This record gives sequence, C-alpha cells and structure tokens, in this order.
Amino acid sequence: AQSVTQLDSHVSVSEGTPVLLRCNYSSSYSPSLFWYVQHPNKGLQLLLKYTSAATLVKGINGFEAEFKKSETSFHLTKPSAHMSDAAEYFCVVSDFTRGRRALTFGSGTRLQVQP
Amino acid sequence: DADVTQTPRNRITKTGKRIMLECSQTKGHDRMYWYRQDPGLGLRLIYYSFDVKDINKGEISDGYSVSRQAQAKFSLSLESAIPNQTALYFCATSRVGQPQHFGDGTRLSIL
Repeated sequence: AQSVTQLDSHVSVSEGTPVLLRCNYSSSYSPSLFWYVQHPNKGLQLLLKYTSAATLVKGINGFEAEFKKSETSFHLTKPSAHMSDAAEYFCVVSDFTRGRRALTFGSGTRLQVQP
Repeated sequence: DADVTQTPRNRITKTGKRIMLECSQTKGHDRMYWYRQDPGLGLRLIYYSFDVKDINKGEISDGYSVSRQAQAKFSLSLESAIPNQTALYFCATSRVGQPQHFGDGTRLSIL
C-alpha cells in the first residue's frame, strides 16, 4: 500500500529566504509523485510532477523537487520565498491499488511567509 | 470561465436533508473524481468514474452516492446528511496518465 508523510504541518519563512517542504513516501511500485498548492478558497493547482524521467523536477513559480529513491523522499524547494507563496502544499503519490492507479494525499503543509 | 465548475460553492443545511453537489467540466476529460478535505487529513477519495458507465467507490464512500450524467457532469449526493459530513468537497478531472485538475470546492456545513 502507498502512503505519504509530510513531515511539517506548518513552515514559516521570511520573504526572500529559501523554502523547504519535506515529503516522504512509500510505494510498492515505481510511483508518480506530485506537489499541489492550495490557496484560500481555491482548488488544488499542480506545481510539478515526477514520472520516472529526470529526478530533479522543475515546476511553476520557481519551485522544484528532487526525487530520491534511496531516501524515499520528494522534497519541495524554492530559492527565495515570495509573499504570494503563502498557501497550503500537498505532496501526492500515484500508484496502483487493486489494479487501478490511485492518488494518496499527504496531510498538507501550511507555508507562512513573513515580510 | 473555470475548466472544472462546482456548484454550489457554499451550502449550509440540516441533519437528515438530501444534498446534491454538482460538478461540470469543459476540459473533455474522461475521468472524474470526488474528494473531501478535512483539516489535517489531506484529501480523501469518495468516488471516481473513468467513463460514463464506469463508477467506483473510493476509500470513504459510505453515506454518499454519485451519478455520471454525461462525460462532462458528475454529481455527488448525500442521501441523509449528518454533521460529520461537514467538510470541503472537491471535484477533479483527468485524462489517463495525466495529473488531475481540481475545481474550487464546495464548503458544506451540516447542522
């Protein structure tokens, strides 16, 4: 069975400093991995996806994530936080469950950006 | 216009009432999904449909039913609402092998 653990429920950074949101996963097969962002009163928007190509994945708005199979991690980073990055972020794994591909969501990390 | 539209955006109702949440999409995707979001739990899958004739239960389908009226429409019903079904509900769509696209959600409160 697949699972996703987001190691921090809240992260607070200052504007202009780096962002690190941590995600560990478990999966029986070769998974696809995603990061989604949710702004208040909005649905989830795809930031980036890993699907067994390059292990360093670049996404929108300057975010990137590195797939590390040996560590079963898929941490999200950004070199310099912007106020508009304040939101909730979800790490998601896609794997086969009962013969069909299904998504499992992490519990989310709320990112605060201080001026 | 939004590609995935959910109606209503907000609903307050009483225990025991029948509720229908609707989702329509203009993306031409064959797959549609209903999730609920609770604080600290991420999103959990209620039902999913890979085409009009293929509907499947997700991990938390008890107390819910769905109808896929057309490729573009997928509705979620609560036959007799109870307070622990108070949550934020999301519809999503996708093509096979592609990431899911989400609507803006329906905030449902059951008193």
